[in-house]
Amino acid sequence: QQPVQSPQAVILREGEDAVINCSSSKALYSVHWYRQKHGEAPVFLMILLKGGEQKGHEKISASFNEKKQQSSLYLTASQLSYSGTYFCGTEVTSGTYKYIFGTGTRLKVLA
Amino acid sequence: DSGVTQTPKHLITATGQRVTLRCSPRSGDLSVYWYQQSLDQGLQFLIQYYNGEERAKGNILERFSAQQFPDLHSELNLSSLELGDSALYFCASSVAADISYEQYFGPGTRLTVT
Repeated sequence: QQPVQSPQAVILREGEDAVINCSSSKALYSVHWYRQKHGEAPVFLMILLKGGEQKGHEKISASFNEKKQQSSLYLTASQLSYSGTYFCGTEVTSGTYKYIFGTGTRLKVLA
Repeated sequence: DSGVTQTPKHLITATGQRVTLRCSPRSGDLSVYWYQQSLDQGLQFLIQYYNGEERAKGNILERFSAQQFPDLHSELNLSSLELGDSALYFCASSVAADISYEQYFGPGTRLTVT
């Protein structure tokens, strides 16, 4: 039931790119992306609504394929500050409103 | 600083006890969300309140309850505590009732049940 994120963990060098995927078994209305640094609260990155809209925020962008019930987060030219755990939060369209977080992806950027 | 405050920061208590966690949302935000984060279960949505009314329920146990007061602060009550309730509890706030709005997380309350 919990959306599966892949990869589970990734290590990058500064300047490299990464893609984090979030795949749900349920139909989705929206997908949210968060980054959480160790010992801190999650920080909102972006929301994608049903409709396949791709959003961008500086060097971080995301897409949402509602037919495949998947979302991807794209990190371009990674910086040290990108290190942390990334979560997708999914709003499902089933009868009872539910908001379910993905399994998380640990990302570490090395100098 | 997100503007969301949570107290206390840390809480250590024994099994069977009851505790209350408090959250003050950002100025102007009407929605408050509660989340539980544990090592084995990850980040879980518990419950949402909007302008004093319960809006949505997630994986919240019957031993847990919450409310939002007229000044919009919220409290999460955890009773008959078990070892498995040890976790980080976050609240978040947003401006609207619909979950499709940006949420701002507080720093969290770390609960340890011994």
